[in-house]
Amino acid sequence: KQEVTQIPAALSVPEGENLVLNCSFTDSAIYNLQWFRQDPGKGLTSLLLIQSSQREQTSGRLNASLDKSSGRSTLYIAASQPGDSATYLCAVRDAGNMLTFGGGTRLMVKP
Amino acid sequence: ETGVTQSPTHLIKTRGQQVTLRCSSQSGHNTVSWYQQALGQGPQFIFQYYREEENGRGNFPPRFSGLQFPNYSSELNVNALELDDSALYLCASSSRTGWEGAFFGQGTRLTVV
Repeated sequence: KQEVTQIPAALSVPEGENLVLNCSFTDSAIYNLQWFRQDPGKGLTSLLLIQSSQREQTSGRLNASLDKSSGRSTLYIAASQPGDSATYLCAVRDAGNMLTFGGGTRLMVKP
Repeated sequence: ETGVTQSPTHLIKTRGQQVTLRCSSQSGHNTVSWYQQALGQGPQFIFQYYREEENGRGNFPPRFSGLQFPNYSSELNVNALELDDSALYLCASSSRTGWEGAFFGQGTRLTVV
């Protein structure tokens, strides 16, 4: 059974810092990995999607990497802003198109 | 905006009642998945529908059931509501393979009292 863990569970940083969020998964037989952002009480917004054959994806200040063999992904946020405050979730997709989520990292960026 | 819409946005029900949640998938997507997200946790997979048939199910009891319609929209039905069913229910739309990723609606917040 796939298990996904996100570390840290919560993070508070001053504005402008670069930061790294970590995601690990136990079964490397994944189809792809997706990072999401969730604002309080809202749905999930897709940030980045990495196929199992890819190593990284970039979008603006966000960069996500994937090391499938070691079961790890990181989300790098450059020059953090208060508007980045949210919960960040990673999810791995299996061949059956089912997503398994981590518990999320709650990020607070202080002005 | 993902093009995935869910209704209603909020709902309060009494223990033992039944509830129906609805989801319209994104144009071009034929697969709908439902997830339950308890407060402070990651979403948990309930089930998936493809071409109007259940195509995978998580660890949820039979009182959680669903439907998919010819236009690929979907319903989630929960019978005999329990207090622990209080959660945010999320609908995700995708292609059959999920190659392009999953796109989520804004969720339905269900409170069981």
